[in-house]
Amino acid sequence: GENVEQHPSTLSVQEGDSAVIKCTYSDSASNYFPWYKQELGKGPQLIIDIRSNVGEKKDQRIAVTLNKTAKHFSLHITETQPEDSAVYFCAAIVGGGSNYKLTFGKGTLLTVNP
Amino acid sequence: ETGVTQTPRHLVMGMTNKKSLKCEQHLGHNAMYWYKQSAKKPLELMFVYNFKEQTENNSVPSRFSPECPNSSHLFLHLHTLQPEDSALYLCASSQEALPRTDTQYFGPGTRLTVL
Repeated sequence: GENVEQHPSTLSVQEGDSAVIKCTYSDSASNYFPWYKQELGKGPQLIIDIRSNVGEKKDQRIAVTLNKTAKHFSLHITETQPEDSAVYFCAAIVGGGSNYKLTFGKGTLLTVNP
Repeated sequence: ETGVTQTPRHLVMGMTNKKSLKCEQHLGHNAMYWYKQSAKKPLELMFVYNFKEQTENNSVPSRFSPECPNSSHLFLHLHTLQPEDSALYLCASSQEALPRTDTQYFGPGTRLTVL
């Protein structure tokens, strides 16, 4: 079955610096990769996603890159701000129809220091 | 606010108790989900409902019993739970159900502690 590994588990950066979180997946048939942000006391919120037919997607300060050959995808946050501090989760979906699997990474606690 | 509400926000129960978690979405979505979030473990999808019909049960023990009376409401009935069931239980909704990749909107969760 699908296995999603997320690194690092914790990340501390200075305000204004960039942050990069990486996930690797095991099933080459995975076709959809969302990233979620979870603030304290709240549920996860989708911040960006990418499909397997695209190599990179950007939304303002947030970007996701996908390397299908190496089976990894990364979240890039530029010009970090204190409000970016949260737990970030990656996920991968493989399959379709009634036979699919949604697998999450264990999360990365990002701390942006002012 | 995401448009998905969950009650209660915190719940402490004994192993012999019966309790229910409630989720309501105000987004007009057709699909609703229950997830379990445990410390140090990945988020786990438990149940998926599409147009009130259960389409997914990820090998969840029978002590967890979901109910979806309509597309806006979802319940999780709990009975004879174990301490290892203590976790944050998250509800989510989306316009169409997995594996369609419509954005899922999560509620704030119910923090469950089983003594």
